[in-house]
Amino acid sequence: QGQLVESGGGVVQPGRSLNLSCAASGFTFSTYGIHWVRQAPGKGLEWVAVIWYDGSHKYYADSIKGRFTISRDNSKNTLYLQMNSLRDEDTAVYYCAKDRGGGGGSWQGAFDIWGQGTIVTVSS
Amino acid sequence: DIQMTQSPSSVSASVGDRVTITCRASQGISSWLVWYQQKPGKAPKLLIYAASSLQSGVPSRFSGSGSGTDFTLTITSLQPEDFATYYCQQANSFPLTFGGGTKVEIK
Repeated sequence: QGQLVESGGGVVQPGRSLNLSCAASGFTFSTYGIHWVRQAPGKGLEWVAVIWYDGSHKYYADSIKGRFTISRDNSKNTLYLQMNSLRDEDTAVYYCAKDRGGGGGSWQGAFDIWGQGTIVTVSS
Repeated sequence: DIQMTQSPSSVSASVGDRVTITCRASQGISSWLVWYQQKPGKAPKLLIYAASSLQSGVPSRFSGSGSGTDFTLTITSLQPEDFATYYCQQANSFPLTFGGGTKVEIK
């Protein structure tokens, strides 16, 4: 079935950095695209970023472009999100989510496995 | 960016009712439309992908239809565990975007 477990959330001051991790198990991590999705308190879902199965392509939401970087280490079955220059509006639960496809010709754009989420609070 | 508009934003229904939620894209997205269910404090759950394909393990009372700009999620015979918030999401182009959500509440 597969599982994703996020970590690295916490309270951080505006302008500072935070690095999230997402550990995968129970599926062949290196063959699937993985996304970050966030949800601000009491709000809807917002897609953040995706990385192709092999790391060859990365796409970002406009709201975080230039500040956040998605990466992966297939040897460790782990996804990362480096978040720099954090703002109050980045406060949210951050989920990693597995795509049904790998990217490119196998693109699906549907997230079939989600982590439990990690909370990021940006506050002075 | 493609804007996704869901309606209604909330609906009150009873167990056994048929519930229909609509999602409209600001431009054509073919069948690149996904539906999720989210319960409070939980991660979303994939229900439907490619507009009408039922995700494995999802009850058959859930169905999706539509193509282009107009899509529908239908729940036939609403069950107690179906009270939740439902989101549509377009997978046609980046950035991926979600609808604002539809909360299905108990009447």
